[in-house]
Amino acid sequence: DTAVSQTPKYLVTQMGNDKSIKCEQNLGHDTMYWYKQDSKKFLKIMFSYNNKELIINETVPNRFSPKSPDKAHLNLHINSLELGDSAVYFCASSLPGGLDTDTQYFGPGTRLTVL
Amino acid sequence: RKEVEQDPGPFNVPEGATVAFNCTYSNSASQSFFWYRQDCRKEPKLLMSVYSSGNEDGRFTAQLNRASQYISLLIRDSKLSDSATYLCVVGETDSWGKLQFGAGTQVVVTP
Repeated sequence: DTAVSQTPKYLVTQMGNDKSIKCEQNLGHDTMYWYKQDSKKFLKIMFSYNNKELIINETVPNRFSPKSPDKAHLNLHINSLELGDSAVYFCASSLPGGLDTDTQYFGPGTRLTVL
Repeated sequence: RKEVEQDPGPFNVPEGATVAFNCTYSNSASQSFFWYRQDCRKEPKLLMSVYSSGNEDGRFTAQLNRASQYISLLIRDSKLSDSATYLCVVGETDSWGKLQFGAGTQVVVTP
């Protein structure tokens, strides 16, 4: 009965490679997010999609490209990986807008290590 | 200046004691406030929303001071299982759920 799931859980790769992380939610939410949590533990939003439409796009290198095939899935593709991309990437989902509906449910995270 | 600032701690708390900590936020237009809890190497999970009048959920009490732009969390009768990092989270209602997270306050409850 996993609510928000991500694959893979761990990803170790060489600099310059291209990799993808997948996220799926079965909560029936309309909005999904990608966050990056770096070594200093700050959780920073990268992207948000509402019903497959991009609505938040923070200052993120264009090597990062999100794709939402349907509202239950939001994948993250990263081109030409760099050392600084090493972090934990969390997917999250929520109902759209509103005070009480801002609760976000997070996936277990993908720990990316770039060597 | 960070949008949400927290004392990183750690706050070392004997079991059964009370611990309280604050966070400050910079955007006076912020409309929604939360405390999330993150265990080591796990995802953040909502602990409680914070309402203007203050609210309580069991041993946890949250307060909001809009004038001074800070939020507080108080944990009474601390349990070992309360050991975690507590993330202060602030959002703007009209921004499609864009939340600003603090870096967290670590609480360590000791026997």
